[in-house]
Amino acid sequence: EAGVTQSPTHLIKTRGQQATLRCSPISGHTSVYWYQQALGLGLQFLLWYDEGEERNRGNFPPRFSGRQFPNYSSELNVNALELEDSALYLCASSLAHTSASTGELFFGEGSRLTVL
Amino acid sequence: SQKIEQNSEALNIQEGKTATLTCNYTNYSPAYLQWYRQDPGRGPVFLLLIRENEKEKRKERLKVTFDTTLKQSLFHITASQPADSATYLCALLSGGYQKVTFGTGTKLQVIP
Repeated sequence: EAGVTQSPTHLIKTRGQQATLRCSPISGHTSVYWYQQALGLGLQFLLWYDEGEERNRGNFPPRFSGRQFPNYSSELNVNALELEDSALYLCASSLAHTSASTGELFFGEGSRLTVL
Repeated sequence: SQKIEQNSEALNIQEGKTATLTCNYTNYSPAYLQWYRQDPGRGPVFLLLIRENEKEKRKERLKVTFDTTLKQSLFHITASQPADSATYLCALLSGGYQKVTFGTGTKLQVIP
């Protein structure tokens, strides 16, 4: 069974440009999370999509946005890139969220974004 | 505000000893507490989950305890090996439609 896949693996952009990162969850998983991990720092929660809807959003500016498609894959867009956006962007998927969910996340290997 | 702290940024331990990592939280009522392992440049890998009504959980050389009174979880690796060297993250889920929030991580180095 394929795990969570992310693309691209590496992306180099310049300040002010836009970046688009993609994530395909494990088959059968409907929930997708996005996290940012800057060098030497912890995982900062960005966005959470479940069944096509945005369920929660972290403390990031509106230029960070995303969506989830009907096949549950997801896209993260970062507009007006700044130097401090350079980080590893991790996507994770989990089974559908219900009141009984235990929330184990299955992560991809990440997309390394470098902003010059 | 809600806070999850893993109070050792780094922990060095001799091979064969038991490594104990700590996760403390405040202003949180987690239904589940999870532990993940992360190797450099890779995504975290889920290791163990413990529920709020469970005191202890074991999996091979791993043991997790959960004390909701102290608001603390301890993660033990017995008979540690150099291959156990990695960053270990705790994560909390309050249940239902709540996001999974991660602690800051502890970098474990097992010295041969």
